[in-house]
Amino acid sequence: GENVEQHPSTLSVQEGDSAVIKCTYSDSASNYFPWYKQELGKRPQLIIDIRSNVGEKKDQRIAVTLNKTAKHFSLHITETQPEDSAVYFCAALRFKLIFGTGTRLQVFP
Amino acid sequence: EAQVTQNPRYLITVTGKKLTVTCSQNMNHEYMSWYRQDPGLGLRQIYYSMNVEVTDKGDVPEGYKVSRKEKRNFPLILESPSPNQTSLYFCASSFVAARPRNEQFFGPGTRLTVL
Repeated sequence: GENVEQHPSTLSVQEGDSAVIKCTYSDSASNYFPWYKQELGKRPQLIIDIRSNVGEKKDQRIAVTLNKTAKHFSLHITETQPEDSAVYFCAALRFKLIFGTGTRLQVFP
Repeated sequence: EAQVTQNPRYLITVTGKKLTVTCSQNMNHEYMSWYRQDPGLGLRQIYYSMNVEVTDKGDVPEGYKVSRKEKRNFPLILESPSPNQTSLYFCASSFVAARPRNEQFFGPGTRLTVL
């Protein structure tokens, strides 16, 4: 079955710096790759997603890149702010959504 | 308002006492799923349902049951809870995978403690 690995498990950055979170997946037929943000005590919420026929997608300060050949995708956050502090989950979908183990991002002022 | 609701939000119970966590969505979604979230392990799928009367095991189904008699409801049943089922549980729903954007909407979570 599908397996999704996510790195790093924790990431600390200074406000204004960039943050990158990487995920790899095992099922080459996976066709949809969302990223979820979970703030402390809250539910996960979708922040950006990408389909397998697209290599990159941007939404203001966040972007996702997909390398289908290598079966990995990454989340990029530029100009980080303290409110970006949260746990981020990547996921891959073929028939069902499989999540990575999460990255705790801390942005220090 | 489009949403996924879960009840109860918090529950403390004892080993062996059957319990049900309800989940309901009002978005006419076909796909519904239950996850448990534990520190360092992320979101692990317990069971999922592609449509009414269609359910399937996820990655960690042992000790859980589900049913999907109606499209909007997907209850999670613990017949004989044990302490290792202490966790944060999320219900989620979405349209089936064929859509261009298949956002999964999560409920608010149920924090379960089994003593």
